[in-house]
Amino acid sequence: EAQVTQNPRYLITVTGKKLTVTCSQNMNHEYMSWYRQDPGLGLRQIYYSMNVEVTDKGDVPEGYKVSRKEKRNFPLILESPSPNQTSLYFCASREAGGDTQYFGPGTRLTVL
Amino acid sequence: GENVEQHPSTLSVQEGDSAVIKCTYSDSASNYFPWYKQELGKRPQLIIDIRSNVGEKKDQRIAVTLNKTAKHFSLHITETQPEDSAVYFCAASESGNTGKLIFGQGTTLQVKP
Repeated sequence: EAQVTQNPRYLITVTGKKLTVTCSQNMNHEYMSWYRQDPGLGLRQIYYSMNVEVTDKGDVPEGYKVSRKEKRNFPLILESPSPNQTSLYFCASREAGGDTQYFGPGTRLTVL
Repeated sequence: GENVEQHPSTLSVQEGDSAVIKCTYSDSASNYFPWYKQELGKRPQLIIDIRSNVGEKKDQRIAVTLNKTAKHFSLHITETQPEDSAVYFCAASESGNTGKLIFGQGTTLQVKP
């Protein structure tokens, strides 16, 4: 089954404790993105990647890192999480030259 | 960069009525405009999209219109049903060329039985 998966689905952590949210897709898509969703603000792009080892900042990259060492994986790293990073995070992928983004199930992160 | 404004933020209609959600965008280079539906606790799912070389597209009860000159596009849902209740997001991007997709703020649609 073609899908985008994220782990963990729920995470409660404390300020300053490094964490990684994994994202994996099995559709051989070139493009992958991370979004955060906050009430009244819609979905805002954090980082995106157009292929292995090619990443670029979205609209809200501060406090986040990403890597794209393999085509299928695009982890989101919070080196020192803060309470303002409490949010719902979505990973998405699409094929090069295509437009339809396929979203993962979401990760609800709470930073205390 | 691109900015997408979406209105209204909430919309309540009676079952069977029509619902219209409007978005404006700022970047004239944007040429791809998708609409996503997000049910409570679920991921966003594409329901319809339109490219800038087309003025209107329909799929059963939903339609999208695009006015490139005015830089706005709209989602129309006819004969609304309770299962249409969800949050709807519009978005804009430069088709295929970049990884960037800019979303509107979302519209919460409630369809009352």
